[in-house]
Amino acid sequence: DVKVTQSSRYLVKRTGEKVFLECVQDMDHENMFWYRQDPGLGLRLIYFSYDVKMKEKGDIPEGYSVSREKKERFSLILESASTNQTSMYLCASSSSGTGTRNEQFFGPGTRLTVL
Amino acid sequence: GNSVTQMEGPVTLSEEAFLTINCTYTATGYPSLFWYVQYPGEGLQLLLKATKADDKGSNKGFEATYRKETTSFHLEKGSVQVSDSAVYFCALRALSGSEKLVFGKGTKLTVNP
Repeated sequence: DVKVTQSSRYLVKRTGEKVFLECVQDMDHENMFWYRQDPGLGLRLIYFSYDVKMKEKGDIPEGYSVSREKKERFSLILESASTNQTSMYLCASSSSGTGTRNEQFFGPGTRLTVL
Repeated sequence: GNSVTQMEGPVTLSEEAFLTINCTYTATGYPSLFWYVQYPGEGLQLLLKATKADDKGSNKGFEATYRKETTSFHLEKGSVQVSDSAVYFCALRALSGSEKLVFGKGTKLTVNP
C-alpha cells in the first residue's frame, strides 16, 4: 500500500521559532509537494520538488524554505514562525512515469499552531 | 491564469438524496481534471479523474464528466450515505509535463441519517 507519512499530526510552536516539517514517501516518486490548507482558501501550493536537490516555488513561498536531500524525504522549514503560519500542512508525492501518472498521494497532514 | 471554481458549501443532505457539486475551470489547453475527497482527520485521496474531453470518471458511486464546451466537471452521486460526509476538492493539472495541481476551495458535505 502506498504511503506518505508526516512527522507530526499536531505541532505547537512559539513565534520566532524555527520549525521543521518532515515528509517521507515510500513509492520512489520523483515529485513531492507541500501545501497549506486554510478554511475558505482550499489548498495552496508552497513549494514542490521534481528531483533530489531540485525545488520550485509554488504560489505562496514567502516565509518558507524546503530541503530535498534524499528522494524519499521532503522537508518544509519555517525559518521564523509567525502566527499567520498557523495552518494545516499537507505533503504529497507523485510519479513522473506512466500508470499512476497525474495522481498525487497525500499524507495525513500536520496541524501547526504558532502562538 | 489557471483556476478552479467549485460551489460554496456547506452542503447538507439526507441519506439517499441526490448529490451534485458543481466545478468549473479556467485553463489554457486541455487540462486533466480530478476530484479529491478528504474525510475527517485525514489527508486527501483521489476519488476520480478524467484526462480528456467527454471522459467520465467514476468511483464508489460518484461520477463526473469532463465537459469541454462548458469547462465543467460536476461531481454527482445518485444516493449519498452518511459515510460520504467529507470535504470534496475539484482540481486540474494544466500543462503537459507539469505535475502541479490547482485546487478549488473545497465543498464540505454532511449527510444526515
